[in-house]
Amino acid sequence: KAGVTQTPRYLIKTRGQQVTLSCSPISGHRSVSWYQQTPGQGLQFLFEYFSETQRNKGNFPGRFSGRQFSNSRSEMNVSTLELGDSALYLCASSGTGGPSYEQYFGPGTRLTVT
Amino acid sequence: QKEVEQNSGPLSVPEGAIASLNCTYSDRGSQSFFWYRQYSGKSPELIMSIYSNGDKEDGRFTAQLNKASQYVSLLIRDSQPSDSATYLCAALNSGYALNFGKGTSLLVTP
Repeated sequence: KAGVTQTPRYLIKTRGQQVTLSCSPISGHRSVSWYQQTPGQGLQFLFEYFSETQRNKGNFPGRFSGRQFSNSRSEMNVSTLELGDSALYLCASSGTGGPSYEQYFGPGTRLTVT
Repeated sequence: QKEVEQNSGPLSVPEGAIASLNCTYSDRGSQSFFWYRQYSGKSPELIMSIYSNGDKEDGRFTAQLNKASQYVSLLIRDSQPSDSATYLCAALNSGYALNFGKGTSLLVTP
C-alpha cells in the first residue's frame, strides 16, 4: 500500500499570507489527523477528521482550520500567517478503531514564514 | 494539562547492547500508547503500539505498559548504529488525539 502523501513538501510564505496544505491518507483509511512540530513545543495535535467530520480540535487559534473530503483526503488552512507558524506540519492517517488506533505519518510539509 | 514525559537524553549505548527508553503519562483516560522513531529531518515512523498491561514484543523491540504506574517503556535489543534517532512516546486520548512526549535522543556507538 502506498503511504500517506502530503503536498507541497516545502513552502515559503510571507507574514499575513495564507496557506493550504494537502494530505492523502493510506488507501482505506478514513481518519486523518494533523499535527504541528516545532523544536520548542514538539509535536502538537491540531485536529482530527473522520468521514468528513471534525471530531476533535487542539488548542490552536481559529486561523488554523481544516476539512476532509468524501474520498478521505484532507486539507488544512492557515490564514494570516505569523512567524511562529513556521513548523513541520504532519498529517497522519488511521484505519483502525478500538483500543489500538495506530496513526501513520506522512513526510510532512515544511512551512517557513518570513 | 495532560502530559507525556520523557527524558530528553541523549542516551548513549554501545552497539549490541540493550537500549531502555522510558515514558510516563498523566492522563489515566489514555488507553493506547505508541512508540515512534524519528530520524533527523524525517517524519515519525510507528514502531510499536500497546494497550494492554504487560509486554509486547516485535523483533528486537519490546514495549512494556504498566497502567497502575502510568508508565510505558521500550526496549531495543542488539542495538545498531542505525537505531540512532529520537524516540517519541505518545498516548492516545479519548478525543483520538496523540499526546506526544518531547522525545528521547538515542545514540548507538559502534
